[in-house]
Amino acid sequence: GQQVMQIPQYQHVQEGEDFTTYCNSSTTLSNIQWYKQRPGGHPVFLIQLVKSGEVKKQKRLTFQFGEAKKNSSLHITATQTTDVGTYFCAGLTSGTYKYIFGTGTRLKVLA
Amino acid sequence: NAGVTQTPKFQVLKTGQSMTLQCAQDMNHNSMYWYRQDPGMGLRLIYYSASEGTTDKGEVPNGYNVSRLNKREFSLRLESAAPSQTSVYFCASSEPGTFYNEQFFGPGTRLTVL
Repeated sequence: GQQVMQIPQYQHVQEGEDFTTYCNSSTTLSNIQWYKQRPGGHPVFLIQLVKSGEVKKQKRLTFQFGEAKKNSSLHITATQTTDVGTYFCAGLTSGTYKYIFGTGTRLKVLA
Repeated sequence: NAGVTQTPKFQVLKTGQSMTLQCAQDMNHNSMYWYRQDPGMGLRLIYYSASEGTTDKGEVPNGYNVSRLNKREFSLRLESAAPSQTSVYFCASSEPGTFYNEQFFGPGTRLTVL
């Protein structure tokens, strides 16, 4: 079945350092979404990417969708303690309503 | 707007007991989902309902049943709970065809099966 892998599983950074998480799908996706989950909370939508090669920015966050629409990345510049949490990608295959979530990357920011 | 609500927030069951997790959304969304989240496993789709009156299996449906009672409500039933079903359960809703099609999640139900 379709799989979405995410690396790394954990990342500890010093405040001010950059952070990147990568998402890879075994199949071509129609779109990909990114979510953030704070400790003890529920996932909250960050962004959706649809087009091949698409790049979107939200303040210090940069999201990319690969040319083949099988991979994606989230890059945070100059991390802050408020960035702490787990970041998930979720891929949608064309013709379905089922999003397959990646395993997530847990980010810890050390002040 | 409450968004997506789930009850109960916490539950402890003994092996073999049954229970129903309730979910309701007030955003008039057509699609609703049930996920379970285990440490290091991300979110895995149990069942989903693309629209009122339809339900389909997700990645891990065994041991669960669902009911889409109406457009607002989507319940998840464990007929005979097992320790392997200890998890955090999230309900979500979305509106396919909208620009973002984002999923809105409820606060979760933390279930322990002894």
